[in-house]
Amino acid sequence: NAGVTQTPKFQVLKTGQSMTLQCAQDMNHEYMSWYRQDPGMGLRLIHYSVGAGITDQGEVPNGYNVSRSTTEDFPLRLLSAAPSQTSVYFCASTKDGSYEQYFGPGTRLTVT
Amino acid sequence: SQQGEEDPQALSIQEGENATMNCSYKTSINNLQWYRQNSGRGLVHLILIRSNEREKHSGRLRVTLDTSKKSSSLLITASRAADTASYFCATTNFGNEKLTFGTGTRLTIIP
Repeated sequence: NAGVTQTPKFQVLKTGQSMTLQCAQDMNHEYMSWYRQDPGMGLRLIHYSVGAGITDQGEVPNGYNVSRSTTEDFPLRLLSAAPSQTSVYFCASTKDGSYEQYFGPGTRLTVT
Repeated sequence: SQQGEEDPQALSIQEGENATMNCSYKTSINNLQWYRQNSGRGLVHLILIRSNEREKHSGRLRVTLDTSKKSSSLLITASRAADTASYFCATTNFGNEKLTFGTGTRLTIIP
């Protein structure tokens, strides 16, 4: 299994641009989530999904959209990038009934 | 808001020594987990302790949980250079699978 994969690894955007961060998992996990990691702040939950067709907001959802059309994929969309969205973004998945999360390698995003 | 806070924020020890880091949290939890993050990488799950457990071991790792003090500790025995990483606690509340992470402890093992 490839586990949780994320693309791209690095991205530079200009303020106002939009883009989609991709996340996929091949473990048939129902629960998936997106976090952002900023220096000294740990990880903060952006959005999560408990299964295909179901998404919900986390702690810091503003400026981000998600959808979950399949069990495998959980893309994160930045609608209009702002410098405050400069961060490292992690996608994670969890097997139903478990609490252990499997993390992707992250996407480092810089907004100028 | 962050549920957990780790203490200390940074820790440097000699290889072979034991490393202890602490986590405090604010609300009642279902379980608490510890994760490791190597520089530039994703997080890796280390160990989970449930709210009705007081101590758990996994290899060189020992985790304790004191729900009355809302705190947990992670002990790494006989540290190795490869243990150099950031360590995060994360809590789950009853009724959902959302993880709330602490701010992390950066551990450096000096060869």
